[in-house]
Amino acid sequence: KQEVTQIPAALSVPEGENLVLNCSFTDSAIYNLQWFRQDPGKGLTSLLLIQSSQREQTSGRLNASLDKSSGRSTLYIAASQPGDSATYLCAQDGGGSNYKLTFGKGTLLTVNP
Amino acid sequence: DGGITQSPKYLFRKEGQNVTLSCEQNLNHDAMYWYRQDPGQGLRLIYYSQIVNDFQKGDIAEGYSVSREKKESFPLTVTSAQKNPTAFYLCASSIGVRGAFFGQGTRLTVV
Repeated sequence: KQEVTQIPAALSVPEGENLVLNCSFTDSAIYNLQWFRQDPGKGLTSLLLIQSSQREQTSGRLNASLDKSSGRSTLYIAASQPGDSATYLCAQDGGGSNYKLTFGKGTLLTVNP
Repeated sequence: DGGITQSPKYLFRKEGQNVTLSCEQNLNHDAMYWYRQDPGQGLRLIYYSQIVNDFQKGDIAEGYSVSREKKESFPLTVTSAQKNPTAFYLCASSIGVRGAFFGQGTRLTVV
């Protein structure tokens, strides 16, 4: 059974700090690894997607990396802002006949002004 | 604009009543999913569908039913057999390397 774990469960940082969110997965047969953002009471917004053949993806202040051998992905947020405050979730997709997404429980990020 | 539309945003269910949550997508995605989100438990998969007229149970399918008569639509019915239906329900669709995209969710409350 696929399992995805996110550490830490919650993180509070001052504005301007660089930070790293961690995601670990047990199934090495990963297809996509996707990072999402969720604001309270809202749906999920896709941030970055890393295919199994890739090692990282970047979008603005966000950088996500994937290490299949160690079963880990990290989301790096540079120069954090109060508007970055949200819950961040990672999910893996096994592809093929196992395309369903398996989610971690998320990291609740608070960026203090 | 392409995207996923869930309706209604808020839904109230009386005891013993069946309710249906709507999910429509115009992204031409093959796969669609329903997730349930409870505080502190993350997202749990209810049902998923890869193609029209085919769907599979997820981890918590008991008390729920779905249909996939059209590629664009994947409605979820919460039946009276679901004893604890109060939750936030999220619909998603995906197509291979483009990843998954989510609707804005439906909050279901039992009254």
